[in-house]
Parts: sequence; C-alpha cells; structure tokens
Amino acid sequence: DGGITQSPKYLFRKEGQNVTLSCEQNLNHDAMYWYRQDPGQGLRLIYYSQIVNDFQKGDIAEGYSVSREKKESFPLTVTSAQKNPTAFYLCASTRGTSVFTGELFFGEGSRLTVL
Amino acid sequence: AQKVTQAQTEISVVEKEDVTLDCVYETRDTTYYLFWYKQPPSGELVFLIRRNSFDEQNEISGRYSWNFQKSTSSFNFTITASQVVDSAVYFCALGEPSSGNTPLVFGKGTRLSVIA
Repeated sequence: DGGITQSPKYLFRKEGQNVTLSCEQNLNHDAMYWYRQDPGQGLRLIYYSQIVNDFQKGDIAEGYSVSREKKESFPLTVTSAQKNPTAFYLCASTRGTSVFTGELFFGEGSRLTVL
Repeated sequence: AQKVTQAQTEISVVEKEDVTLDCVYETRDTTYYLFWYKQPPSGELVFLIRRNSFDEQNEISGRYSWNFQKSTSSFNFTITASQVVDSAVYFCALGEPSSGNTPLVFGKGTRLSVIA
C-alpha cells in the first residue's frame, strides 16, 4: 500500500547526541515536509523540500538538518544544538510542488524523548 | 499574530450530541485555501476537506459539515450525532499561494473527546 513510513516510532536520546529520523514515501510525491508537534502548540514547520537536492528552512529550523538525495526519502537529523528536542515529529508529502494541488499525506510520527 | 486561531483547546461531549469546532483565519490574500485535518490517537493526520476562498458554499459529508463565512473569516466544522470514534485532535490550516508555495499554517488544534 502507498503511504509514508516514519521510523523509529519511539526514540530515546541522551543529551548531546545527534539522532536521525527516517521518512520514506512511495507515493511518488514531489514535496516533503517535517513538522514538530508539542502539546498545545499545533504543528510547526521545520524544513521542507519541493524537489530533490533542494530544501528550505521552515519556522523552527535551528538545531535541525535535512537532506533530499532521493525523491522518496527526506531524513531529519536532530542535532545537539537543538535546545529542546523532546517532541512528536511528523513527516508529510504532497503531490506536485504546491500544497494547493492536493492534500498533505502524513506519516504516523516519531516521538523523540531526550533523557 | 496567529494566522489560524482555534480558540477551543479541548471539548468534551456525550455521544450523539452535535459539536462545532471553531476556526478563525487571518489573511490579506483574495485567493487562499482552508483545510481541516483529523489526528486520531495513532498520530497520523488525516485530511478531511479543502476549500478555496471563492467557494463559500457549505459542504456536508455524512455527519460532517463545514460552514465557510468570509465575512467573519471563519471556517467552522460541525460533527452531527458524534461518536466515540470522532475523538481526536482536529486542526484547521490556511494556505496562501502568494507566499510562494510555502506550506500550510496550522492552528493549535482542538482536542475533542466523545464520551459513551
């Protein structure tokens, strides 16, 4: 079945460690997105990519990095520079390079806890 | 200032009651898009509806209905005869093409609990 797969679902990290969250889609979508969700804060955009080898910062990109080497993959690295990384991370994709061509499809999320 | 305001943080209703989730948006564009998404306990957001700014007709889909009013910049969502399976967090979102294809701006969400 087509969809977005995020892994791992749960991740624990010690302070000072980098961690990479995986996002893979088999929908042949052009654009991919990373959002962060905190209780009572809604969804905040971290990074997005509309084509391979290109990506843009969102509203809260500091302390995060991404790559888009393949159309189907958009991994997110949470670096030690991110001061408050404990959160729920959601990956999404959409057909075409505009979110207005269709709805966003979301993965099931990755919950990161820093110990 | 928030572009999308969902003033209701949490709502609890008893099964079979009707419930309306409010969404107020802010934009200077004449062309824009409004969305509603549902986030069940599994965590994955599910698309419910997209409406463009030129279509003010209300929409009904089964027990769901949406009331779009440009005069009050609102795009409210009503669930009729609520069921326990409707329990979720619901997000309203705004898309503005003039922003150069930048992604949607989401409200903070409303957590709906339907009690049996």
